[in-house]
Parts: sequence; structure tokens; C-alpha cells
Amino acid sequence: KQEVTQIPAALSVPEGENLVLNCSFTDSAIYNLQWFRQDPGKGLTSLLLIQSSQREQTSGRLNASLDKSSGRSTLYIAASQPGDSATYLCAVRPSNFGNEKLTFGTGTRLTIIP
Amino acid sequence: AAGVIQSPRHLIKEKRETATLKCYPIPRHDTVYWYQQGPGQDPQFLISFYEKMQSDKGSIPDRFSAQQFSDYHSELNMSSLELGDSALYFCASSSRDRGPNQPQHFGDGTRLSIL
Repeated sequence: KQEVTQIPAALSVPEGENLVLNCSFTDSAIYNLQWFRQDPGKGLTSLLLIQSSQREQTSGRLNASLDKSSGRSTLYIAASQPGDSATYLCAVRPSNFGNEKLTFGTGTRLTIIP
Repeated sequence: AAGVIQSPRHLIKEKRETATLKCYPIPRHDTVYWYQQGPGQDPQFLISFYEKMQSDKGSIPDRFSAQQFSDYHSELNMSSLELGDSALYFCASSSRDRGPNQPQHFGDGTRLSIL
């Protein structure tokens, strides 16, 4: 059974700093990994999707990397801003045919201190 | 760009009542997924549909059922509601015909509260 872990559970950093969020998964048989952002009581906003054949994806100040063999992904946020405060979730999609469900990590609650 | 639309946004029910949650996927998306997120927990997959057929099933209670209609919208029907059903219910959609590496796009969710 796939298990996804995110460490730390919570992180506070001053505005302007660069930061890294970690995601690890136990089963490397995945199609892709998605990073999401969730504001309190709100829906999930897809930030980046990185395919199993890719090493990294970039979107603006965000950069996601994937090391499938070691079961790890990182989300790098550059020049953090107060508006980046949210919970960040990673989710993996298994590679076996017909299995489409995402397995989520428990999230990292990020607070950017102005 | 159009997003996934869920209705209602909030729903309050009492124990043993029934509820119906609706989801309208992004236009031209053929696959719909339902997830349940309890307080302080990560989303858990319930069920998915592709071209109106159930494509995958997760930890969905027997009291719940779902279907996808010809216009691709989906409904999650919940009966004999229990206190533990209080959660945020998300619908997501994707386009399977474009390949397996399409992101799932999520709606804002329906917050169901059972009194």
C-alpha cells in the first residue's frame, strides 16, 4: 500500500527566504506526482505535476524535483511571500492500469512571517 | 478558464438523513473523481468515473453511491448519514484521453456537516 509522508508538518519562515518542502513515498511505481496548495477551508489548487520520467518542473517561483528511485520529491519556493502561506500537499498517482486515485501526504502547513 | 464546479458549497444535515452532492467537471474532461477530507486529514479517494462508467473505487461506504451522467456531471448520493461523514468532499476532473499524465483539477469542495 502506498504511503506518502511530508516533513515537516509545519514550517514558519521570514518573508523573502527560500524554502524546501519534502515529500516521500514508499512505492516507486508511479505515473506522476502532483503538488497542491490548500488554503484553510478551501479547495486544492494544482501547482505542478511532474511525470515519473522527469527530474523537475518549474512554474514561476516554484520548482519541484522528483527522484523516483528513492521515493522523494521536493518543492522549492523562492523568495517567499506572505501570500504563500497555506498547506502544501503532495500526491502520487500509481502506474498500474486503471488505478487513477491519488494518494495524498498529510501536508506541510507553511506560514510566511511578514 | 472554467474550473470544476461543486454544489452546494455548504450542506447541513441531521443523522440518518440523505444528501446529494453535485460536480460539474471542466469542459471536455471525461473523468471525475470524488475525495473525502476529514478535519485535519488528507483527502481520501472515494470513487471515480470515466465516460459514465465506474473506473476505480476506494474507501467509499456502502451507504454512498455515485454516478456520472451523459453530460459528464457527477452526483454523490449519501444515505443514513452519520456524524463521521462530516467532512469536505472534493470532486476533481481530468481528461484521460489525453494520456495518464494529466493533472487532476479540484473543485472548491462541499462542506458537509452532520448534526
